[in-house]
Amino acid sequence: GQQLNQSPQSMFIQEGEDVSMNCTSSSIFNTWLWYKQDPGEGPVLLIALYKAGELTSNGRLTAQFGITRKDSFLNISASIPSDVGIYFCAGQRLGSGAGSYQLTFGKGTKLSVIP
Amino acid sequence: KAGVTQTPRYLIKTRGQQVTLSCSPISGHRSVSWYQQTPGQGLQFLFEYFSETQRNKGNFPGRFSGRQFSNSRSEMNVSTLELGDSALYLCASSLDRGQAFFGQGTRLTVV
Repeated sequence: GQQLNQSPQSMFIQEGEDVSMNCTSSSIFNTWLWYKQDPGEGPVLLIALYKAGELTSNGRLTAQFGITRKDSFLNISASIPSDVGIYFCAGQRLGSGAGSYQLTFGKGTKLSVIP
Repeated sequence: KAGVTQTPRYLIKTRGQQVTLSCSPISGHRSVSWYQQTPGQGLQFLFEYFSETQRNKGNFPGRFSGRQFSNSRSEMNVSTLELGDSALYLCASSLDRGQAFFGQGTRLTVV
């Protein structure tokens, strides 16, 4: 099935540094979501974006819905050790399957934070 | 408010067997979606149920099926298990768009 292009695949950063990751698609999405997954657990919703150009923050996390509706970005400021994990972007396209909430996921960005 | 509950957390099955996984969504959420997560393919959409009806289906063989009960709890079934079905199966509960909350998943190992 279709997947989003998420980059980078992995990152090693020093504690305190800022992090940026992004997601692109060849098609338009109506909603973009960002998740974090820890080993052995399910993804946890971080931020949801609902309209083109929207910029939303959740603590040290900031995400943007691209104006073309084909991309999204996530920034983490002043990283700390507990930021370690895999971050996934997901797009939701309304209208597929009678109002379905189906999500299409990127392959994830694995973040490692060096203390 | 309780989160999404998936049972069991871990399962080991033999090739050819069948398996049933369960998901209890967040109270009031009528949409339940299922996803398969593997290292090679990532997170892939299986199907979605809304008010006991399947309203969307991913590109998986007919061995994968599901259902939803009147209390919104959902089950998915995989028949004639293959080694490649080993994966983390995740359930997501939704009330509205952009609000998909996942359970901890069921780790299925087929031997």
